[in-house]
Amino acid sequence: AQSVTQLGSHVSVSEGALVLLRCNYSSSVPPYLFWYVQYPNQGLQLLLKYTSAATLVKGINGFEAEFKKSETSFHLTKPSAHMSDAAEYFCAVIRPGGYNKLIFGAGTRLAVHP
Amino acid sequence: EAGVTQFPSHSVIEKGQTVTLRCDPISGHDNLYWYRRVMGKEIKFLLHFVKESKQDESGMPNNRFLAERTGGTYSTLKVQPAELEDSGVYFCASSQDRQGGTEAFFGQGTRLTVV
Repeated sequence: AQSVTQLGSHVSVSEGALVLLRCNYSSSVPPYLFWYVQYPNQGLQLLLKYTSAATLVKGINGFEAEFKKSETSFHLTKPSAHMSDAAEYFCAVIRPGGYNKLIFGAGTRLAVHP
Repeated sequence: EAGVTQFPSHSVIEKGQTVTLRCDPISGHDNLYWYRRVMGKEIKFLLHFVKESKQDESGMPNNRFLAERTGGTYSTLKVQPAELEDSGVYFCASSQDRQGGTEAFFGQGTRLTVV
Protein backbone atom coordinates (compact mmCIF):
# COMPACT_ATOMS: atom_id res chain seq x y z
CA ALA A 1 0.00 0.00 0.00
CA GLN A 2 1.16 3.48 -0.71
CA SER A 3 1.66 6.12 1.95
CA VAL A 4 3.16 9.56 2.31
CA THR A 5 4.93 11.00 5.34
CA GLN A 6 5.55 14.69 5.75
CA LEU A 7 8.04 15.42 8.50
CA GLY A 8 7.00 18.44 10.53
CA SER A 9 3.42 19.62 10.70
CA HIS A 10 4.68 23.19 11.20
CA VAL A 11 7.79 24.82 9.77
CA SER A 12 8.82 28.39 10.46
CA VAL A 13 11.45 30.32 8.49
CA SER A 14 12.60 33.88 8.21
CA GLU A 15 11.95 35.86 5.05
CA GLY A 16 14.84 35.24 2.67
CA ALA A 17 15.82 31.93 4.27
CA LEU A 18 15.84 28.52 2.62
CA VAL A 19 12.56 26.63 2.65
CA LEU A 20 12.81 22.85 3.02
CA LEU A 21 9.67 20.77 3.39
CA ARG A 22 10.23 17.05 3.70
CA CYS A 23 8.24 14.27 2.06
CA ASN A 24 8.92 10.56 2.07
CA TYR A 25 6.79 8.00 0.29
CA SER A 26 6.22 4.33 0.45
CA SER A 27 5.32 2.57 -2.78
CA SER A 28 5.93 -0.81 -4.35
CA VAL A 29 6.55 0.81 -7.73
CA PRO A 30 7.99 4.21 -8.58
CA PRO A 31 5.02 6.51 -8.17
CA TYR A 32 3.99 9.84 -9.54
CA LEU A 33 4.61 12.54 -6.93
CA PHE A 34 3.01 15.91 -6.39
CA TRP A 35 3.23 18.96 -4.20
CA TYR A 36 0.09 20.99 -3.69
CA VAL A 37 -0.26 24.27 -1.81
CA GLN A 38 -3.30 25.71 -0.07
CA TYR A 39 -3.28 29.43 0.60
CA PRO A 40 -5.73 30.79 3.17
CA ASN A 41 -9.35 30.59 2.00
CA GLN A 42 -8.37 28.98 -1.28
CA GLY A 43 -8.42 25.52 -2.82
CA LEU A 44 -5.46 23.26 -3.42
CA GLN A 45 -3.14 24.42 -6.19
CA LEU A 46 -0.57 22.25 -7.93
CA LEU A 47 3.00 23.44 -7.29
CA LEU A 48 4.85 20.76 -9.22
CA LYS A 49 4.78 17.09 -10.16
CA TYR A 50 7.16 14.25 -10.92
CA THR A 51 6.04 11.73 -13.54
CA SER A 52 9.25 9.75 -14.23
CA ALA A 53 10.99 12.29 -16.41
CA ALA A 54 13.68 14.56 -14.93
CA THR A 55 14.32 13.89 -11.25
CA LEU A 56 14.66 17.59 -10.46
CA VAL A 57 11.32 19.22 -11.00
CA LYS A 58 10.76 22.96 -11.11
CA GLY A 59 7.40 24.38 -10.17
CA ILE A 60 5.64 27.66 -9.78
CA ASN A 61 6.71 30.50 -7.49
CA GLY A 62 10.36 29.42 -7.41
CA PHE A 63 9.79 26.03 -5.80
CA GLU A 64 11.50 22.85 -6.86
CA ALA A 65 11.67 19.25 -5.70
CA GLU A 66 14.03 16.38 -6.32
CA PHE A 67 12.93 12.78 -6.64
CA LYS A 68 15.42 10.48 -4.91
CA LYS A 69 14.49 6.86 -5.40
CA SER A 70 17.22 5.56 -3.10
CA GLU A 71 15.87 7.69 -0.25
CA THR A 72 12.18 7.40 -1.28
CA SER A 73 12.01 11.16 -0.88
CA PHE A 74 10.56 14.12 -2.73
CA HIS A 75 11.51 17.14 -0.62
CA LEU A 76 10.31 20.60 -1.61
CA THR A 77 12.73 23.52 -1.56
CA LYS A 78 12.87 27.22 -2.30
CA PRO A 79 16.12 29.15 -1.96
CA SER A 80 14.60 32.30 -0.48
CA ALA A 81 11.29 32.45 1.37
CA HIS A 82 8.82 35.23 0.74
CA MET A 83 6.04 36.33 3.05
CA SER A 84 3.54 35.23 0.40
CA ASP A 85 4.77 31.62 0.71
CA ALA A 86 2.97 31.25 4.02
CA ALA A 87 0.48 28.45 3.37
CA GLU A 88 -0.10 24.75 3.93
CA TYR A 89 1.78 22.36 1.68
CA PHE A 90 0.74 18.82 0.82
CA CYS A 91 2.82 16.05 -0.69
CA ALA A 92 0.84 13.41 -2.59
CA VAL A 93 1.45 10.24 -4.54
CA ILE A 94 -0.32 8.29 -7.27
CA ARG A 95 0.49 4.77 -8.28
CA PRO A 96 1.03 4.60 -12.06
CA GLY A 97 -2.19 3.26 -13.50
CA GLY A 98 -3.97 4.38 -10.36
CA TYR A 99 -6.48 6.60 -12.11
CA ASN A 100 -5.27 9.82 -10.55
CA LYS A 101 -6.36 8.80 -7.05
CA LEU A 102 -4.17 10.99 -4.86
CA ILE A 103 -2.83 9.78 -1.53
CA PHE A 104 -1.85 12.77 0.60
CA GLY A 105 0.48 13.39 3.45
CA ALA A 106 -0.80 15.16 6.54
CA GLY A 107 0.39 18.56 5.35
CA THR A 108 3.01 21.04 6.55
CA ARG A 109 2.04 24.56 7.52
CA LEU A 110 4.76 27.04 6.57
CA ALA A 111 5.07 30.30 8.47
CA VAL A 112 7.35 33.04 7.18
CA HIS A 113 8.57 35.70 9.59
CA PRO A 114 9.95 39.13 8.70
CA GLU B 1 -12.54 29.64 -17.78
CA ALA B 2 -14.22 28.89 -14.47
CA GLY B 3 -12.46 26.58 -12.08
CA VAL B 4 -13.96 23.91 -9.88
CA THR B 5 -16.76 25.41 -7.84
CA GLN B 6 -18.17 24.04 -4.61
CA PHE B 7 -21.31 25.03 -2.73
CA PRO B 8 -21.77 25.92 0.04
CA SER B 9 -18.43 27.15 1.31
CA HIS B 10 -19.51 26.52 4.90
CA SER B 11 -22.29 24.51 6.46
CA VAL B 12 -23.19 24.07 10.10
CA ILE B 13 -25.81 21.43 10.84
CA GLU B 14 -27.04 19.49 13.83
CA LYS B 15 -26.34 15.84 14.34
CA GLY B 16 -28.98 13.78 12.59
CA GLN B 17 -29.72 16.33 9.89
CA THR B 18 -29.05 15.96 6.20
CA VAL B 19 -26.60 18.02 4.19
CA THR B 20 -25.95 18.07 0.46
CA LEU B 21 -22.70 19.37 -0.95
CA ARG B 22 -22.39 20.33 -4.59
CA CYS B 23 -19.44 20.39 -6.95
CA ASP B 24 -19.30 21.89 -10.43
CA PRO B 25 -16.21 20.62 -12.24
CA ILE B 26 -14.33 22.38 -14.98
CA SER B 27 -16.33 22.13 -18.19
CA GLY B 28 -15.26 19.14 -20.25
CA HIS B 29 -13.61 17.28 -17.39
CA ASP B 30 -14.99 13.76 -17.34
CA ASN B 31 -13.21 12.84 -14.11
CA LEU B 32 -14.50 14.12 -10.82
CA TYR B 33 -13.13 13.28 -7.38
CA TRP B 34 -14.28 13.86 -3.83
CA TYR B 35 -11.83 14.09 -0.96
CA ARG B 36 -12.24 14.88 2.73
CA ARG B 37 -9.96 16.31 5.37
CA VAL B 38 -10.93 15.68 8.95
CA MET B 39 -9.43 18.18 11.40
CA GLY B 40 -5.70 17.78 11.74
CA LYS B 41 -5.47 14.72 9.54
CA GLU B 42 -4.54 14.02 5.95
CA ILE B 43 -6.78 14.62 2.97
CA LYS B 44 -8.40 11.31 2.09
CA PHE B 45 -9.91 10.08 -1.15
CA LEU B 46 -13.64 9.36 -1.08
CA LEU B 47 -14.62 8.48 -4.63
CA HIS B 48 -14.03 8.99 -8.34
CA PHE B 49 -16.56 9.50 -11.13
CA VAL B 50 -15.89 9.04 -14.80
CA LYS B 51 -18.71 10.95 -16.39
CA GLU B 52 -21.80 9.72 -14.54
CA SER B 53 -20.35 6.37 -13.47
CA LYS B 54 -18.60 5.61 -10.20
CA GLN B 55 -15.11 4.38 -11.07
CA ASP B 56 -13.94 3.93 -7.49
CA GLU B 57 -15.87 4.50 -4.28
CA SER B 58 -13.50 2.66 -2.00
CA GLY B 59 -13.00 5.68 0.23
CA MET B 60 -16.63 6.29 1.14
CA PRO B 61 -16.84 5.96 4.94
CA ASN B 62 -20.23 4.26 5.21
CA ASN B 63 -23.70 4.14 3.72
CA ARG B 64 -24.68 7.48 5.21
CA PHE B 65 -22.76 9.03 2.33
CA LEU B 66 -24.32 9.09 -1.14
CA ALA B 67 -22.65 10.64 -4.16
CA GLU B 68 -24.26 11.26 -7.50
CA ARG B 69 -23.26 12.83 -10.75
CA THR B 70 -26.31 13.37 -12.87
CA GLY B 71 -25.62 13.51 -16.60
CA GLY B 72 -21.91 13.55 -16.01
CA THR B 73 -21.90 17.22 -15.10
CA TYR B 74 -22.11 18.48 -11.52
CA SER B 75 -21.92 16.15 -8.56
CA THR B 76 -23.59 16.08 -5.17
CA LEU B 77 -22.48 14.43 -1.97
CA LYS B 78 -25.24 13.85 0.55
CA VAL B 79 -24.67 12.96 4.16
CA GLN B 80 -27.74 11.51 5.86
CA PRO B 81 -27.95 11.47 8.82
CA ALA B 82 -24.90 13.51 9.72
CA GLU B 83 -22.76 12.50 12.67
CA LEU B 84 -20.22 14.52 14.64
CA GLU B 85 -17.28 12.69 13.04
CA ASP B 86 -18.40 13.83 9.59
CA SER B 87 -17.11 17.32 10.35
CA GLY B 88 -14.27 18.38 8.12
CA VAL B 89 -13.47 19.99 4.79
CA TYR B 90 -14.79 18.28 1.69
CA PHE B 91 -12.83 18.92 -1.49
CA CYS B 92 -13.88 18.26 -5.02
CA ALA B 93 -11.43 17.97 -7.91
CA SER B 94 -11.69 17.38 -11.62
CA SER B 95 -9.32 16.33 -14.36
CA GLN B 96 -9.49 15.99 -18.09
CA ASP B 97 -8.41 12.37 -18.12
CA ARG B 98 -7.71 9.73 -15.53
CA GLN B 99 -4.12 8.94 -16.44
CA GLY B 100 -1.78 9.22 -13.51
CA GLY B 101 0.08 12.47 -13.59
CA THR B 102 -2.73 14.47 -15.12
CA GLU B 103 -3.28 17.57 -13.05
CA ALA B 104 -6.36 17.51 -10.88
CA PHE B 105 -7.88 20.93 -10.25
CA PHE B 106 -9.37 21.45 -6.81
CA GLY B 107 -12.25 23.54 -5.57
CA GLN B 108 -12.05 25.69 -2.46
CA GLY B 109 -13.74 23.06 -0.38
CA THR B 110 -16.86 22.95 1.78
CA ARG B 111 -16.26 23.20 5.50
CA LEU B 112 -18.86 21.04 7.22
CA THR B 113 -19.43 21.35 10.94
CA VAL B 114 -21.78 18.93 12.65
CA VAL B 115 -22.83 20.03 16.15
